[in-house]
Amino acid sequence: GDSVTQMEGPVTLSEEAFLTINCTYTATGYPSLFWYVQYPGEGLQLLLKATKADDKGSNKGFEATYRKETTSFHLEKGSVQVSDSAVYFCALSGSSNTGKLIFGQGTTLQVKP
Amino acid sequence: SAVISQKPSRDICQRGTSLTIQCQVDSQVTMMFWYRQQPGQSLTLIATANQGSEATYESGFVIDKFPISRPNLTFSTLTVSNMSPEDSSIYLCSARTGGSAEKLFFGSGTQLSVL
Repeated sequence: GDSVTQMEGPVTLSEEAFLTINCTYTATGYPSLFWYVQYPGEGLQLLLKATKADDKGSNKGFEATYRKETTSFHLEKGSVQVSDSAVYFCALSGSSNTGKLIFGQGTTLQVKP
Repeated sequence: SAVISQKPSRDICQRGTSLTIQCQVDSQVTMMFWYRQQPGQSLTLIATANQGSEATYESGFVIDKFPISRPNLTFSTLTVSNMSPEDSSIYLCSARTGGSAEKLFFGSGTQLSVL
């Protein structure tokens, strides 16, 4: 079945460092891909998405490109801030578009000043 | 957007008891879902809460263990029945608005610990 694999955390970076969180997926058909973020004490929020191959999702300085050839959707940010400290989840939805999501295990990011 | 209120935010329960989690959305939504996040693991879909009919459960989840109600378009409950320590998890309510998967919102979750 469909699945999502994320790099294990926690990831600890200094402020202004470059961030990459790896995400790879296995799916039939053509899924949509998402990154969600969960700040401490808050619910999951959609960070960015991509719905087809070579699409680049971006938001708040974060980017991820839908790479069908490598089945990847890595999250990147050029310069992280302390306020980016959160748990990041990669997810996919199947081509049936039912609203169901399959999540990766989440990666905790800690940014130190 | 939709704001989802979930309660309780956390609870500590005794083995063999049941807990009902409530999820209230501030606007009418087309679909509501319940997820579970076990410690150190990803979110797993438990079921889709259907308005006015029985919920649709994913493989590995059954109605007797996780009864779900959805009496209207803005409210749903999930009950965790006959709890055991293995049920200790975060339970998340989510709601979908519109016709695309990206319009999916989440509550802040219920942290359940079973002793």
